[in-house]
Amino acid sequence: ETGVTQTPRHLVMGMTNKKSLKCEQHLGHNAMYWYKQSAKKPLELMFVYNFKEQTENNSVPSRFSPECPNSSHLFLHLHTLQPEDSALYLCASSQDLAGGPADTQYFGPGTRLTVL
Amino acid sequence: AQSVSQHNHHVILSEAASLELGCNYSYGGTVNLFWYVQYPGQHLQLLLKYFSGDPLVKGIKGFEAEFIKSKFSFNLRKPSVQWSDTAEYFCAVTSNTGGFKTIFGAGTRLFVKA
Repeated sequence: ETGVTQTPRHLVMGMTNKKSLKCEQHLGHNAMYWYKQSAKKPLELMFVYNFKEQTENNSVPSRFSPECPNSSHLFLHLHTLQPEDSALYLCASSQDLAGGPADTQYFGPGTRLTVL
Repeated sequence: AQSVSQHNHHVILSEAASLELGCNYSYGGTVNLFWYVQYPGQHLQLLLKYFSGDPLVKGIKGFEAEFIKSKFSFNLRKPSVQWSDTAEYFCAVTSNTGGFKTIFGAGTRLFVKA
C-alpha cells in the first residue's frame, strides 16, 4: 500500500463507451501523474498536474481527458477509445514536480483497461 | 531527445549469483536518477534514488547503484540475488531541464531460479 489508490482495478469497454478512471492519493503530495504501461514498451507519461494545474500533456489524443479537481484526486475520462488503447493505466503522485528535490513518485496499483 | 536505455530486457539468474543491470541516459542538465521495481502482482515502488552527493547509492534489500556522470550511466547491482528478487526493474531519470517529466526505461525482467 503506497497511499495511492485507483479504481476500478479492471475495466472492459467498447469503443463507443464513456468511462472514467479515478485516482486518489493520501500522502499530501502536490503533483499527480497519469502513465500508460503497455507490454514491451517503456512507461509512457501522459499528463502531469501540479497544485491542480496541468503542467504536461505528452501529446495524448483528445479521447483521453484528464481532470484534477484538487491535489488529492485525479481522473482520466475516456471516450471513443481504440483497441490499441488497451493497457495498464498507472497513477502516481510526488511531493515535488520531476526534477525537484522530492520528486520520488508513489504509484497506485493501476487500472487494467481492455477496449473491445 | 531525452531517453533512457536499459540494456537487458530479460535476465535469468540462479540464486546467489551477482546481478548488474545497465542503465544509460541521454539528458542535459542536472539529473535525478531512480530505480523502481515492480514485483509480480504489485505496484511500482522505489528501490533507490540518486539526487546528489556520494555517487554510490544504497537502496532496500541489498541493492546499490552507481552514478557515473562521464558515462551517463546508473547501473543497478546486487552481489547475491534471491528468488524473491524476481521482478521487473525500471530505470528512470528526471531533470531540471526538459520539462516536468520523468523518463522511464523499457524495463528489465529478472527471473531468479531457486
